[in-house]
Amino acid sequence: ILNVEQSPQSLHVQEGDSTNFTCSFPSSNFYALHWYRWETAKSPEALFVMTLNGDEKKKGRISATLNTKEGYSYLYIKGSQPEDSATYLCASTGGTSYGKLTFGQGTILTVHP
Amino acid sequence: DADVTQTPRNRITKTGKRIMLECSQTKGHDRMYWYRQDPGLGLRLIYYSFDVKDINKGEISDGYSVSRQAQAKFSLSLESAIPNQTALYFCATSAVGGTGELFFGEGSRLTVL
Repeated sequence: ILNVEQSPQSLHVQEGDSTNFTCSFPSSNFYALHWYRWETAKSPEALFVMTLNGDEKKKGRISATLNTKEGYSYLYIKGSQPEDSATYLCASTGGTSYGKLTFGQGTILTVHP
Repeated sequence: DADVTQTPRNRITKTGKRIMLECSQTKGHDRMYWYRQDPGLGLRLIYYSFDVKDINKGEISDGYSVSRQAQAKFSLSLESAIPNQTALYFCATSAVGGTGELFFGEGSRLTVL
């Protein structure tokens, strides 16, 4: 079983602040790294799926980077807004586990107006 | 209507009762999953199915069973519910190939008294 760790567990920021979270995962037999956003009372939704070392993806104010050699990914939010408040989940799959994701425990972001 | 539908959305039951959570999808995906979410633990995989004739245990399958009745339907059963099975349960689907992105249902909150 892959061990996927996220930090911090929770984060409180003010509106307009930029923030970032970390996801670490085993680098051996890596296949893909996923980021999901999960708002309260809703379904988790995919933000990014990354597979290549050095990948950088961006969606609006949110971006992510991937380092498969050292086993980490960063998620950045620029100019946080209250609607960014959610739990951000990362998940990794590797080797023969393709299609079977292992999730980290999530980072809970609260953006205060 | 949601592409991945779970029923019931909420259920309160007593220890020892049999409970079935149902999942149906209109995305045409072959792969389906059941995850359990507990606070601070992220999403943990219970069972997964890569096609109608394929059923596999995840990391926490004890006390659960599943049935893949059709490509579109994947049910999770608790034969004799116990209090530590109180959790939020998610069904998810993914397509063969591609990015492996998961598409989640809205969750089923189960409370076992």
